[in-house]
Amino acid sequence: SYDLTQPPSVSVSPGQTARITCSGLKLESNLGYKFPSWYQQKPGQSPVVVIYEETKRPSGIPERFSGSKSGNTATLTISGTQAMDEADYYCQAWDGGTVVFGGGTKLIVL
Amino acid sequence: QVHLVQSGAEVKKPGASVQVSCKASGYTFTDYYIHWVRQAPGQGLEWMGWINPNSGGTRDAQKVQGRVTMTRDTSITTAYLELTRLESDDTAVYYCARSGTAGTHFDYWGQGTLVTVSS
Repeated sequence: SYDLTQPPSVSVSPGQTARITCSGLKLESNLGYKFPSWYQQKPGQSPVVVIYEETKRPSGIPERFSGSKSGNTATLTISGTQAMDEADYYCQAWDGGTVVFGGGTKLIVL
Repeated sequence: QVHLVQSGAEVKKPGASVQVSCKASGYTFTDYYIHWVRQAPGQGLEWMGWINPNSGGTRDAQKVQGRVTMTRDTSITTAYLELTRLESDDTAVYYCARSGTAGTHFDYWGQGTLVTVSS
C-alpha cells in the first residue's frame, strides 16, 4: 500500500478557481490502472464521485469540476467555485488489488 | 435505478463482533464489486476491502486483516461485512460502495451504518 497526500484545507472565494492536489500516485501499477478518482462528501452524506479515470466527469456533475494529472500528482480543479461546493474532497486510486484514499481536503468557500 | 441499502446502527461492547449488510438493487449484483469503506468521527475515508459477488473472492486492507470477513448471498443480492474483536477505534460510519472491475471508481454508495463500540 502507499500514501496519497492532500492538503488539509483549501480556501477560495466564490467565483474563483479552487485547486486540490493529490500527490504520491504510483506511476506504474501491476494492474495497469493508475487513474485517480475524486469524491465530494458533504456533512452527514455519503461520498459522491465527481471525477473518475483522472479526467472524466459523471453525468450530473457540473462542468466546473475537472481533473488532471502531472507526474505523480493529480489535481481537482473547480472553476467558478460556488458556495455549494464547500465540502470535503478525497482522491482515490488503486494499488494492485487494493484501494487507497487520500487524507481528504476541506474546501472552504469564503 | 441503483440502490445500496445498509442495515441500521449498532452499539457493541469491546471484544464483540458486528455484521453490517448491504442490499443491492437495480443492477446485476454479480457484475460489480462491493467495497467496504469506513470513516471514524471527524476523520477521512479508510478502505477496508472488497468482495467479488460473482466468485466470492475477497481482498482486505492490511490494517484489518484477520478481523474482517466479507461475504455475500447472491440469492438476495446482499453483501455482508463482519468485523470481530471490536475496539473503540472501530467506532465509525461503515459504507458499502460499488465499483466495476478492479481499477475502477466507486459509482454508488450506501447510506452508511454507524457502529459504536463502547463499554
